Amino acid sequence: DGGITQSPKYLFRKEGQNVTLSCEQNLNHDAMYWYRQDPGQGLRLIYYSQIVNDFQKGDIAEGYSVSREKKESFPLTVTSAQKNPTAFYLCASSWRGGYNEQFFGPGTRLTVL
Amino acid sequence: AQRVTQPEKLLSVFKGAPVELKCNYSYSGSPELFWYVQYSRQRLQLLLRHISRESIKGFTADLNKGETSFHLKKPFAQEEDSAMYYCALSDSGGSNYKLTFGKGTLLTVNP
Repeated sequence: DGGITQSPKYLFRKEGQNVTLSCEQNLNHDAMYWYRQDPGQGLRLIYYSQIVNDFQKGDIAEGYSVSREKKESFPLTVTSAQKNPTAFYLCASSWRGGYNEQFFGPGTRLTVL
Repeated sequence: AQRVTQPEKLLSVFKGAPVELKCNYSYSGSPELFWYVQYSRQRLQLLLRHISRESIKGFTADLNKGETSFHLKKPFAQEEDSAMYYCALSDSGGSNYKLTFGKGTLLTVNP
């Protein structure tokens, strides 16, 4: 089964804990993205990476961190500094170029208890 | 800064009626516009993009640079069109691959 995968599907975290969300793709895409989806807010870009070992902040990067050590992997860490982390997180990947389609994973729902 | 506005959070039509989902954008560069769709319990996926000039599932969208709009239209709505629709914008020619999404419109097609 090819494409883009995210794990886990559901994640629960206690306040004050960091947690890492996994995103893997086997599409050989150069670019990868993390979005946060909240009801009534649409999708907001957290971080994106256009190439291995490089990434840029999106619109709401505060309280999050990423790494891009391998082309196929782009994990997102939600730190304790993120004030309102409960949300649905979507990962995507694409070929380079602003006109290219982004392919989305199934998402991870994070709940902070 | 790039911005996408979808003025309707909810849109409800009857089967067979025409449907238009509105999208307006603000961007000083050369925009590329997209419509993404999320059906119930499915992944977010591309519906269509301006550069392809294609019709997908009976939907079309025309880029109007004068009005800075990219409205999505279908002449006869079907129940299976019920979904959340997002308009999105990126820079077509530069090295910026960021997609900016609107807040989405939930379309319900009633029988």
